[in-house]
Amino acid sequence: DAGITQSPRHKVTETGTPVTLRCHQTENHRYMYWYRQDPGHGLRLIHYSYGVKDTDKGEVSDGYSVSRSKTEDFLLTLESATSSQTSVYFCAISGGMVDEQFFGPGTRLTVL
Amino acid sequence: LAKTTQPVSMDSYEGQEVNITCSHNNIATNDYITWYQQFPSQGPRFIIQGYKTKVTNEVASLFIPADRKSSTLSLPRVSLSDTAVYYCLVGPLGANNLFFGTGTRLTVIP
Repeated sequence: DAGITQSPRHKVTETGTPVTLRCHQTENHRYMYWYRQDPGHGLRLIHYSYGVKDTDKGEVSDGYSVSRSKTEDFLLTLESATSSQTSVYFCAISGGMVDEQFFGPGTRLTVL
Repeated sequence: LAKTTQPVSMDSYEGQEVNITCSHNNIATNDYITWYQQFPSQGPRFIIQGYKTKVTNEVASLFIPADRKSSTLSLPRVSLSDTAVYYCLVGPLGANNLFFGTGTRLTVIP
């Protein structure tokens, strides 16, 4: 399995609080992605990174920000969590834009 | 943007060949077609990728007609462990064109 870890794996928080999810890789892959998965919507891309300090928005980026200060870490921040952000969040990595993506184990976030 | 349409669900008996078709009418010239598999409580896992004609690996085949407006994932002789959700993914021109959709839930019956 690709070396991808996500932390925390589970989190419960309250509306209005900031939350940061971390994705860590040991594969030295250039691309990193954050997705959310909700029933009836499948996987939707939130943000992605194509290098250190290089990020771009995905399909559902509103309410989320990301940072990538080093190759191995990609952080997803919910500035002020809302109940609509309750979801399972997956991080993925790939070596190139058209290469297969390797997914992490996911983080289940519940916003009360 | 090349979004995809797949059947919501399919059932199959063990040992049968399963074909899952994905429609992607707006596929772009430099888009690739990729299929992922996802088991409950896990992240998706890459199965196969192609651009045109046919691609085969140890677990599946991918058939893409000349117009590339659809593709078919073929799973030979499925087993119970193939029960999962299968996603058809088309792209990218840029990484933000990666649309997974809701996938096809395949249930393999003993």
